[in-house]
Amino acid sequence: KQEVTQIPAALSVPEGENLVLNCSFTDSAIYNLQWFRQDPGKGLTSLLLIQSSQREQTSGRLNASLDKSSGRSTLYIAASQPGDSATYLCAPNFGNEKLTFGTGTRLTIIP
Amino acid sequence: DGGITQSPKYLFRKEGQNVTLSCEQNLNHDAMYWYRQDPGQGLRLIYYSQIVNDFQKGDIAEGYSVSREKKESFPLTVTSAQKNPTAFYLCASSIEKGYRSPLHFGNGTRLTVT
Repeated sequence: KQEVTQIPAALSVPEGENLVLNCSFTDSAIYNLQWFRQDPGKGLTSLLLIQSSQREQTSGRLNASLDKSSGRSTLYIAASQPGDSATYLCAPNFGNEKLTFGTGTRLTIIP
Repeated sequence: DGGITQSPKYLFRKEGQNVTLSCEQNLNHDAMYWYRQDPGQGLRLIYYSQIVNDFQKGDIAEGYSVSREKKESFPLTVTSAQKNPTAFYLCASSIEKGYRSPLHFGNGTRLTVT
């Protein structure tokens, strides 16, 4: 069974710090992986899509990395801001006509 | 502004009643999806459609039905056969099928069945 794990489930950091969110998955044969953010009571917003052939993808203060061999992806957030507070979810595409979502890391940035 | 509109935001129903959740997109996307989100669990796929007049079951299709008569619309019906219908329902779309492009989500419908 293909599983996705995001640890920790919750994280609090002071404003201005750099931070890393982790995503691990059990099947290294992925096609791509998406990172999303979800604000309370809202839908998901796509942040980055990283292809299996890529090692990194960047958008502004966000950088996603992918290491297929170890079954891991990280989302790096630079110079965190209170507006970054949200739940962050990763979703690998294992090529079986669906995304498999992790349960997310709830991030709180402390002003 | 292009996007996905889900309505209503909150929906309350009595047990035994069918209910239909609306999902409309003006992004000209071919693929559309319905997910269910429960506390402490990852999103689970209910149904998806890659083209008009075609749709496929996801992991938890039992007790749900969909239609795709127009490219812009992908309504989800929660039937009385669904054992635990209370949940947050999310509709999504993507320009390409097979999750090759980013998913765009609506803001969800929270369904409560009592």
